[in-house]
Amino acid sequence: SAVISQKPSRDICQRGTSLTIQCQVDSQVTMMFWYRQQPGQSLTLIATANQGSEATYESGFVIDKFPISRPNLTFSTLTVSNMSPEDSSIYLCSVEIRDGYTFGSGTRLTVV
Amino acid sequence: GQQVMQIPQYQHVQEGEDFTTYCNSSTTLSNIQWYKQRPGGHPVFLIQLVKSGEVKKQKRLTFQFGEAKKNSSLHITATQTTDVGTYFCAGADRGSTLGRLYFGRGTQLTVWP
Repeated sequence: SAVISQKPSRDICQRGTSLTIQCQVDSQVTMMFWYRQQPGQSLTLIATANQGSEATYESGFVIDKFPISRPNLTFSTLTVSNMSPEDSSIYLCSVEIRDGYTFGSGTRLTVV
Repeated sequence: GQQVMQIPQYQHVQEGEDFTTYCNSSTTLSNIQWYKQRPGGHPVFLIQLVKSGEVKKQKRLTFQFGEAKKNSSLHITATQTTDVGTYFCAGADRGSTLGRLYFGRGTQLTVWP
């Protein structure tokens, strides 16, 4: 099954700045998924990223706030823009494997 | 819209006791998946159930998918401290290739030694 390398693992950022999270997969995948998990909460899908096309965003998430790049079939980035404390969360990327999904190790973001 | 409800939110058991978490979907699912997230970790895939009424076992873990494909359960027999974590169910509303997952809220399991 696919292995995902996600970085950074954690960061503390000033409000108003942006952070770009990277995910590298060890095999080619059609779709990559970006999730947010607030402390003690479930996973919320932010967007689905396909190579060569615009990402598809879920209700409540917009491209200006969470721009996504998908330059090839093994890599994607998610940027959290103009951050506020409410963006403090864990961000995870995910790809489909046989019968399920595998996740990156997550990026724990704290906005101060 | 699609919702997956999961109960209980928390469960505290003594080592050796059994544990069950339940998921219920507002719509019929294509499949349901279960994940375990250890404290400080990321979700790890456990299993997928596809067929109506399906039952699968992994050692002390038993997974069931309801006849109507709208509910599911995970049962752990004789819990151990290594079972600690949050267990999530996630329903897919289409075939796994294209469908998005709807995660339940999760059940946080604590096991006292």
